[in-house]
Amino acid sequence: GESVGLHLPTLSVQEGDNSIINCAYSNSASDYFIWYKQESGKGPQFIIDIRSNMDKRQGQRVTVLLNKTVKHLSLQIAATQPGDSAVYFCAEKDMGRRALTFGSGTRLQVQP
Amino acid sequence: GAVVSQHPSRVICKSGTSVKIECRSLDFQATTMFWYRQFPKQSLMLMATSNEGSKATYEQGVEKDKFLINHASLTLSTLTVTSAHPEDSSFYICSATSLGRQETQYFGPGTRLLVL
Repeated sequence: GESVGLHLPTLSVQEGDNSIINCAYSNSASDYFIWYKQESGKGPQFIIDIRSNMDKRQGQRVTVLLNKTVKHLSLQIAATQPGDSAVYFCAEKDMGRRALTFGSGTRLQVQP
Repeated sequence: GAVVSQHPSRVICKSGTSVKIECRSLDFQATTMFWYRQFPKQSLMLMATSNEGSKATYEQGVEKDKFLINHASLTLSTLTVTSAHPEDSSFYICSATSLGRQETQYFGPGTRLLVL
């Protein structure tokens, strides 16, 4: 659901299930997208990235899908494990800037 | 590879004092370093972008005289919070990009600042 105030949207899944985390962006000039994982009290950890000339990219247990038509990005995690529990952020880079713009984040809770 | 460290990891200081946070790229040369702050349960907000040997570029609303950034070498950037106040209490995170991959940012572990 939507995040309101200080509450992160939370996705709760059972261990072993697949997880899908979604992100909407608004900048048509964004040409590079990254998913980061952040555990409590730690810095963001790079998961996977994708350029705007692609619509899908796969890593180990993770897949990123990009739909530029509707400005939507998703992260799929296969066979979710308890160690996947964290906050996940999407980030985008405008082709004219060096800096990233972060989304609001989604908390993933994996139930054993 | 692509390890970024920060020091200190946690700091508590009195209101009115200054605090310096270091960000180092350990195994690569960082062309650009970024400083973010993050409040509880919120996303990362970019504060400034710095290049080695030049002045930092601050985001709108970030006071450059309060948050001093120095990027003296290709492996070190520092953020100094001057005359800290309780509202400056936050999680400060740096990131760096390398010469070879200028789009991917590698993040440090963050510094928790508490101003009493």
